[in-house]
Amino acid sequence: KQEVTQIPAALSVPEGENLVLNCSFTDSAIYNLQWFRQDPGKGLTSLLLIQSSQREQTSGRLNASLDKSSGRSTLYIAASQPGDSATYLCAVSNSGNTPLVFGKGTRLSVIA
Amino acid sequence: DAGITQSPRHKVTETGTPVTLRCHQTENHRYMYWYRQDPGHGLRLIHYSYGVKDTDKGEVSDGYSVSRSKTEDFLLTLESATSSQTSVYFCAISERQGRRDVGGGKLFFGSGTQLSVL
Repeated sequence: KQEVTQIPAALSVPEGENLVLNCSFTDSAIYNLQWFRQDPGKGLTSLLLIQSSQREQTSGRLNASLDKSSGRSTLYIAASQPGDSATYLCAVSNSGNTPLVFGKGTRLSVIA
Repeated sequence: DAGITQSPRHKVTETGTPVTLRCHQTENHRYMYWYRQDPGHGLRLIHYSYGVKDTDKGEVSDGYSVSRSKTEDFLLTLESATSSQTSVYFCAISERQGRRDVGGGKLFFGSGTQLSVL
């Protein structure tokens, strides 16, 4: 059974810092990995999707990397801003028709 | 915007009453999902659907049933609500990947339904 872990559960950084959020998964035979953002009281918004054959994906100040062999992914946020404050969740799918399994998320606070 | 609408947005009900939540999509995607989100547990899959009348159970399906009679609508029913089913419920759809409409694609979520069972 796939299990996804995100550490730390919460993180507070000053504005302008570059930061890394971590995600680990137990079964390395994944189909893809996705990172999401959730603002309080809102639904999840997809940020990045990395296919199993890819090593990284970039969108603006966000860069997600994937190391299947070690069962890890990182989300790098450059030059953090207070507007980046949210909960970030990663999720993995083990096949094209298998639902995503989610981690519990990292709650990020960027202090102005 | 993947065109997902959940209704109602908020619901308060009493223990033992039936409750139905609705998820409506405008994009004609094949895969739809129901998750619940609780503090300390994160997002957990209740049921999902891979086509009209094709559904399967997730990890927390006990006490829930689903129906999908049309591509655009996926209904979640609590047959007899219990206090342990107080939660935020999210519907999601999986985007097509190229010409293939498979699960595991980019996921789009609705705004959620806050359900309180008293």
